[in-house]
Amino acid sequence: KNEVEQSPQNLTAQEGEFITINCSYSVGISALHWLQQHPGGGIVSLFMLSSGKKKHGRLIATINIQEKHSSLHITASHPRDSAVYICAGGATNKLIFGTGTLLAVQP
Amino acid sequence: DAGVIQSPRHEVTEMGQEVTLRCKPISGHNSLFWYRQTMMRGLELLIYFNNNVPIDDSGMPEDRFSAKMPNASFSTLKIQPSEPRDSAVYFCASSLAGSYPLYTFGSGTRLTVV
Repeated sequence: KNEVEQSPQNLTAQEGEFITINCSYSVGISALHWLQQHPGGGIVSLFMLSSGKKKHGRLIATINIQEKHSSLHITASHPRDSAVYICAGGATNKLIFGTGTLLAVQP
Repeated sequence: DAGVIQSPRHEVTEMGQEVTLRCKPISGHNSLFWYRQTMMRGLELLIYFNNNVPIDDSGMPEDRFSAKMPNASFSTLKIQPSEPRDSAVYFCASSLAGSYPLYTFGSGTRLTVV
C-alpha cells in the first residue's frame, strides 16, 4: 500500500467545470506538496501546505491534518490545466510521492 | 534566473557504459535533490544535499549509482555500469527554505539504456 494515495487516477472534465483531486497519506508529514507535471514533462511546484488552505489564482489547496487528507481544487477549468497533478508528503525534505492524477480538460 | 539546468536532455547509451547526468541549481538555493521517474514507480527521491553535503542517500538503488556536489552550483549523478532498468527520467530540483515556490525542478534528463 502506497503511503501517499491519490484519487482519481484519471479525470476528464469539460472546460469551466470545478475539479477536485484528493490525496490521502498514512505517514507522518510536516508538509504536503502539490506538483503539476505538464505533458512535456516539466514539473512545477504549486503549493506547500502544513495546515488550512492556500489559494493561487484558480487553484485552491486544502489540508486536514487530523484526517490526513488534502484536496486540490481547480475553479473554472481550462484546457491548459490538462496535466498530471501529484501530491507528495514530506518531512525534512524527504518527499514521498503519490502516483499522480491525469487531468484532461476538454474544450 | 534561468532556473535549474540539467544536461543532457536526452541520453541513449549501451548497457555497461558509464552515464553522467549534470545539474546546476538556482543560485542561492542551499538544497539539491535528485529524483527518478518511471512509469512503474512514479517519482522517487534518490538523494539530497544540504549546503553541498549529502544528507540522505537511502533512495539510491545500488552501488552503481553515485552523486556528488563539489560546490554550490554543480552536481552530478553517475551510473556505472548502466543497465536497461535504469532507463527513466531523472530530475534535479533545488530549494531554499522560505522561498516560493519551495522546489524548482529542472526539465529532466531522459535516459535510455539499450
